[in-house]
Amino acid sequence: KAGVTQTPRYLIKTRGQQVTLSCSPISGHRSVSWYQQTPGQGLQFLFEYFSETQRNKGNFPGRFSGRQFSNSRSEMNVSTLELGDSALYLCASSLTLAGVWTGELFFGEGSRLTVL
Amino acid sequence: AQKVTQAQTEISVVEKEDVTLDCVYETRDTTYYLFWYKQPPSGELVFLIRRNSFDEQNEISGRYSWNFQKSTSSFNFTITASQVVDSAVYFCALSEGVERLTFGTGTRLTIIP
Repeated sequence: KAGVTQTPRYLIKTRGQQVTLSCSPISGHRSVSWYQQTPGQGLQFLFEYFSETQRNKGNFPGRFSGRQFSNSRSEMNVSTLELGDSALYLCASSLTLAGVWTGELFFGEGSRLTVL
Repeated sequence: AQKVTQAQTEISVVEKEDVTLDCVYETRDTTYYLFWYKQPPSGELVFLIRRNSFDEQNEISGRYSWNFQKSTSSFNFTITASQVVDSAVYFCALSEGVERLTFGTGTRLTIIP
């Protein structure tokens, strides 16, 4: 079956702009989480959505937001971009059964954002 | 608070040598998951293994093996007879039962032909 799909794969923005990234999870997976990867900070958790509700949130400013749709697809938005937002943004989908996480968590190829 | 330490930043070995990547974790929970992921240059995190805290059995998958020891809070990964295709960054991660992973800083493995 198809894996986690992220679009766009690459994008370039300038400071002050905003960006929206999209993630389509594996079929049947209802939980989607987002991570930011930078050389300085490594892999950091942004937030996690399940059934259109944000369940967990990392320590990022309010400029970082997300949402999930009824078909489990998710988007994340970063407003007022800063140079430090340049990163690889990774989406992961996970399988939940009867509301309990199975422990499965698979990542997409990521969206590489460059802020100039 | 949970924490994952991968003390080895970079490792280089000659092809066909065995190599072990170390992972030490900290958690106060008794229920948790441990993961290993491989990140090739393309950027995708490729799932390798998941182990829950109640299963201390070591696992072998082809040339890969994992040693989970709760007594030392370690979850080490060994590649036997390494190949050039094994060159990548490897991440160890911990979850305290929810879909939120804490990652180590990664180990860059280079296999020299």
